Amino acid sequence: EVQLVESGGGLVQPGRSLRLSCTASGFTFGDYALSWFRQAPGRGLEWLGLIRSKTYGGTAEYAASVKGTFIISRDDSRSIAYLQMNSLKTDDTAVYYCTREDRLAFDYWGQGTLVTVSS
Amino acid sequence: QSALTQPPSASGSLGQSVTISCTGTSGDVGGYNYVSWYQQHAGKAPKLMIYEVTKRPSGVPDRFSGSKSGNTASLTVSGLQAEDEADYYCSSFAGSNNYVFGTGTKVTVL
Repeated sequence: EVQLVESGGGLVQPGRSLRLSCTASGFTFGDYALSWFRQAPGRGLEWLGLIRSKTYGGTAEYAASVKGTFIISRDDSRSIAYLQMNSLKTDDTAVYYCTREDRLAFDYWGQGTLVTVSS
Repeated sequence: QSALTQPPSASGSLGQSVTISCTGTSGDVGGYNYVSWYQQHAGKAPKLMIYEVTKRPSGVPDRFSGSKSGNTASLTVSGLQAEDEADYYCSSFAGSNNYVFGTGTKVTVL
């Protein structure tokens, strides 16, 4: 069974950094691209970026809204993807999801982890 | 990249059909056959319902169908059931390894 489990969320002060993890199981992690999303309270889904499989270079792409402040990486040996979030603002308060990408759609989602940015 | 436009709400009676539209541009919906739809129940993670405009993942009932014409994609839910009451989001590949999502539609089953 494919599972994605996010962790690392919590309360953080504005301007600080936070790293989220996405631990995968039930599939060959290295064969897939992974994406990160967020959903602010009462709002819609926002795609943040993706990291390709090593077969396709292992490189990352980002939404314009987070480019330069968020960094996505992966550790295929541990089946974990990371979202490093820097210079956090109150507007970054949201539930953060990781997803597996297949055929340019997001076929499996984690349960999400809540990040609250507040002083 | 602007969000895709969806109606805020839609409704239908039990057993009836409801169709949700998703309007983008030639740079996303109109330019690629990579439109997908997601169902999200309150407090839960989204679930993929349709990919590549018309295809259903294993386990998704055939009551759910997708289509596209020009810059507008649509999701139709036929034979509405109580458990179909949820928020629905469309998404499209937008080139240059970018994705854009819709504003979301709340479906109510009357």
